[in-house]
Amino acid sequence: RKEVEQDPGPFNVPEGATVAFNCTYSNSASQSFFWYRQDCRKEPKLLMSVYSSGNEDGRFTAQLNRASQYISLLIRDSKLSDSATYLCVVNSDFPNDYKLSFGAGTTVTVRA
Amino acid sequence: GAVVSQHPSRVICKSGTSVKIECRSLDFQATTMFWYRQFPKQSLMLMATSNEGSKATYEQGVEKDKFLINHASLTLSTLTVTSAHPEDSSFYICSARTAKMAEAFFGQGTRLTVV
Repeated sequence: RKEVEQDPGPFNVPEGATVAFNCTYSNSASQSFFWYRQDCRKEPKLLMSVYSSGNEDGRFTAQLNRASQYISLLIRDSKLSDSATYLCVVNSDFPNDYKLSFGAGTTVTVRA
Repeated sequence: GAVVSQHPSRVICKSGTSVKIECRSLDFQATTMFWYRQFPKQSLMLMATSNEGSKATYEQGVEKDKFLINHASLTLSTLTVTSAHPEDSSFYICSARTAKMAEAFFGQGTRLTVV
């Protein structure tokens, strides 16, 4: 079983729509969670960290469910510029150890 | 966020030659740097972890004699792909962090094509 699994999509949505997707992780000891955004042929860039209580950054909302071992990302009022691959990243056992595990990414395409 | 610079962004080389990729942390001192490889439509795969002043730790299946990593200073790590073959063609990305960072910051990546 992969350490981090994501629905690859693609999610094709019209501008202004809401899109949400999940990521599951296998290591229950994982401590830190992130969503990264990766544009085609570019490096991943940190979108947001995911906190236990859930957090929001503008149109983006991240949730963590430790009991079920998944995190989610919701994008409201989608923009064309939101088209990208979203990587779920889990950091196991920080700060005792440091190991980032990456999902394969969820592709989102926002159409006009 | 922290800035990590990777160079070159793109390189084409002949089979059998070696290629060096540099990764620099520009505004912080990186105690640890990571090298990843990413094939199209796949996730980032960790190749090795390097700590400044010590030998790199390679992931299972990664040949340390083929992928030479040097982390000589707190701001620079290099990955040298030796005797490159077409199957080494990939997107190589570095990331860097300090002990207090939970997240990683990535260089721009190097697209290597071996012909």
